Amino acid sequence: DAGITQSPRHKVTETGTPVTLRCHQTENHRYMYWYRQDPGHGLRLIHYSYGVKDTDKGEVSDGYSVSRSKTEDFLLTLESATSSQTSVYFCAISENGLAGYEQYFGPGTRLTVT
Amino acid sequence: DAKTTQPPSMDCAEGRAANLPCNHSTISGNEYVYWYRQIHSQGPQYIIHGLKNNETNEMASLIITEDRKSSTLILPHATLRDTAVYYCIAYSGNTGKLIFGQGTTLQVKP
Repeated sequence: DAGITQSPRHKVTETGTPVTLRCHQTENHRYMYWYRQDPGHGLRLIHYSYGVKDTDKGEVSDGYSVSRSKTEDFLLTLESATSSQTSVYFCAISENGLAGYEQYFGPGTRLTVT
Repeated sequence: DAKTTQPPSMDCAEGRAANLPCNHSTISGNEYVYWYRQIHSQGPQYIIHGLKNNETNEMASLIITEDRKSSTLILPHATLRDTAVYYCIAYSGNTGKLIFGQGTTLQVKP
């Protein structure tokens, strides 16, 4: 299994509080991704990174920011959590963003915003 | 990237081959076909991918039609642990921005 960990694995927070989720990899892969998964919507890309300090938006980026100061870590921040951000968040990594390369996913973080 | 269409659900008897179809009639020449699966609430798991030729690895085989408009994922001897949602994705980009649809829920029955 690819060396990907996510922390925390579960979190309950209140509306309006900031939340940071961490993805850590030991594979030295260049690309890292944050997805969210909700019933009826499948997996949707929030943000991705193609190198240290290089990030870009996905299809559902509003309300989220990311940072990548080291190859191994990709942080997802909810500046002011809302109930609509209750979801399961998955991190993924890939050696390359080109077609022909596979992505490997972490175990997920279940976030509940009350 | 081309839209893919999969049946919402399928059943398979344990020990038999599971054949999961995927339609991608608008696929372009440089789009790969990827298959992932998600078991219960775990993270998606990469299975296999291909461009034109059939592919096989330790998990599955991928059969792509000659016109590339459809493909089939084959799990040769399905087990109860293969019960999962299977996603077929067409992708040709350079960012890794995969689009996951609703997938096929495969139920392997004893």
